[in-house]
Amino acid sequence: DGGITQSPKYLFRKEGQNVTLSCEQNLNHDAMYWYRQDPGQGLRLIYYSQIVNDFQKGDIAEGYSVSREKKESFPLTVTSAQKNPTAFYLCASSIGRAGGSVVPTEAFFGQGTRLTVV
Amino acid sequence: QQPVQSPQAVILREGEDAVINCSSSKALYSVHWYRQKHGEAPVFLMILLKGGEQKGHDKISASFNEKKQQSSLYLTASQLSYSGTYFCGTGGSNYKLTFGKGTLLTVNP
Repeated sequence: DGGITQSPKYLFRKEGQNVTLSCEQNLNHDAMYWYRQDPGQGLRLIYYSQIVNDFQKGDIAEGYSVSREKKESFPLTVTSAQKNPTAFYLCASSIGRAGGSVVPTEAFFGQGTRLTVV
Repeated sequence: QQPVQSPQAVILREGEDAVINCSSSKALYSVHWYRQKHGEAPVFLMILLKGGEQKGHDKISASFNEKKQQSSLYLTASQLSYSGTYFCGTGGSNYKLTFGKGTLLTVNP
């Protein structure tokens, strides 16, 4: 079955440590996204990638880093510079519809990773 | 910049109707609507592209006014299964997809 997989589901880390969240998709989608979800804040965009070896900062990129070496994979690293890293992280992917610009179409989400930093 | 959703929360009795609004200060290429149940991933409902079109999905429909940069989601004859948080997403150029803070919908028997 095609889909998007995030692992692990729960992650615990000590303050000051970097941690990498995994996101893999087998939908052959060009675009991939990372969102952070906190109560009352909705889904806030951290980074997104349109194509392999290219990615863009979202609205809250500070303290995070990503890579896109393969089309299927878009790992997110939460660095020690992120002041409040405890949150629910969602990865998504979509294909695009090309017209004058490329517009994201239906996004498929993974089941999320809940990160707790103590 | 996140699109603005209203209301933040709404409580309905089964069978009642609701409208959720979404607005953006930036030009929109597309508007997406998703529903998230507690503890689960958001699930796609529908997408509206430039052109002022209206779409429907069972008893859930939406409109998109690109001139006003607004969209509305209409839920008619609500069912218990409609409960959840509804997110509006706005699609910019080059794949960027930004979501609002969500609207919590509770449908009671």
